Amino acid sequence: GIQVEQSPPDLILQEGANSTLRCNFSDSVNNLQWFHQNPWGQLINLFYIPSGTKQNGRLSATTVATERYSLLYISSSQTTDSGVYFCAVGPSGSRLTFGEGTQLTVNP
Amino acid sequence: EAQVTQNPRYLITVTGKKLTVTCSQNMNHEYMSWYRQDPGLGLRQIYYSMNVEVTDKGDVPEGYKVSRKEKRNFPLILESPSPNQTSLYFCASGVGSYEQYFGPGTRLTVT
Repeated sequence: GIQVEQSPPDLILQEGANSTLRCNFSDSVNNLQWFHQNPWGQLINLFYIPSGTKQNGRLSATTVATERYSLLYISSSQTTDSGVYFCAVGPSGSRLTFGEGTQLTVNP
Repeated sequence: EAQVTQNPRYLITVTGKKLTVTCSQNMNHEYMSWYRQDPGLGLRQIYYSMNVEVTDKGDVPEGYKVSRKEKRNFPLILESPSPNQTSLYFCASGVGSYEQYFGPGTRLTVT
C-alpha cells in the first residue's frame, strides 16, 4: 500500500513564528488531505489538495504531485494552532492512508 | 447543527463480549468511514461505505464488522473483542472522502 511519511515528528514554536510541515508519499494519488487534531482530540479537515496550492487564512498548502510531496505552511502561529497535523492520501475518494502526524506545540 | 455523533464515548469491556459502537450523521452524506487511532501509528482506516448497502474494507478490517442499512447510520461491530482492539475509534462522513467530518471519538478498552 501507499506509504506516507511526515516530518518533523515534533515541532515547538513561539507564538508568532512561521512553520512548514512536510508530507511525502510513495505512489501517485488522486486524494490528499491535511487534518488538524486539537488537544481535545477533535479532528478537523483543513485542506483537500491533491495538487496545486490553496490558502485559508494563516494556513496554506502546496502539493507537488509529480514529486510526491505536500507542504503545509502555518504563518504567525497562535497557541490555538497546537495539536497534531495529519496528512492523508489515497488513490481515489474512498481509501485514505494517514501519516503518523506532526505534533505542534505553540508556546505563548 | 451538522454533526457526526458516536456512542458510547468511553467503553471498558472484557475479551469476547460482543459490542457495537454507533455512528450517526445528519448531513445526508453518502460516504462514511471508521478509523482507529493508536499512539505512533496515526489513523488507520477500518471500513468505509460509499452508500447504503455498499461497504468495503480499509487497511485494518480484521476483527470488525460494519453495516449500512440507512444512509445516516454506520455502526461498528466487534463480535469478539480482544485486547489488541483497545484504541480510540473515529467515525467520519463526507462527500466521498474529500471533505470528511469526524465524530468526537470512542475510547475503547478491552481487558
